[in-house]
Amino acid sequence: GNSVTQMEGPVTLSEEAFLTINCTYTATGYPSLFWYVQYPGEGLQLLLKATKADDKGSNKGFEATYRKETTSFHLEKGSVQVSDSAVYFCALIGSGNTGKLIFGQGTTLQVKP
Amino acid sequence: DAGITQSPRHKVTETGTPVTLRCHQTENHRYMYWYRQDPGHGLRLIHYSYGVKDTDKGEVSDGYSVSRSKTEDFLLTLESATSSQTSVYFCAGGGGMALATDTIYFGEGSWLTVV
Repeated sequence: GNSVTQMEGPVTLSEEAFLTINCTYTATGYPSLFWYVQYPGEGLQLLLKATKADDKGSNKGFEATYRKETTSFHLEKGSVQVSDSAVYFCALIGSGNTGKLIFGQGTTLQVKP
Repeated sequence: DAGITQSPRHKVTETGTPVTLRCHQTENHRYMYWYRQDPGHGLRLIHYSYGVKDTDKGEVSDGYSVSRSKTEDFLLTLESATSSQTSVYFCAGGGGMALATDTIYFGEGSWLTVV
């Protein structure tokens, strides 16, 4: 079945550092890919998405490119802020519009001033 | 949260008792989901629904059942609660006919403790 694997955390960075959180997936066909963010005590919010190969999703300075050849969707940000501290989840919906949305295990990001 | 509300938000129950969590949505979302979140496991899909009375199992469906008798409500029932079901439960909803490009919205979570 489909699956998502994220790099283990926690990731600790200083403010203004460059961020990469790795995400790889296993799925047949062309799934849609997502990054969600969860701030402490809250539910998840969609951060960005990409629905076909080579698409780049972007939002709030975060970017991720759908790489079919490496089955990856790594999250990047050029300069993180303390307010970016949260848990980040990579997710996918399989092709065929089945509606089954599955998540990776999440990566905790802590940004220090 | 795009109209996703969960109830109760917090509950303590005893082992062996049935428990029902309710997810209510006001945006006519076609798809609805129940997840549990546990340290080290991320979010794991319990059950989901792709329409009224249409549901399917997720990764961790044992011990759980769901019902969706109308678009707005998606109920999760623990038939006989066990301590291993202590968790935070999240409901989500979204999507019309083009789910892959639609946004899925999450509720704020329900903290369940089974003692």
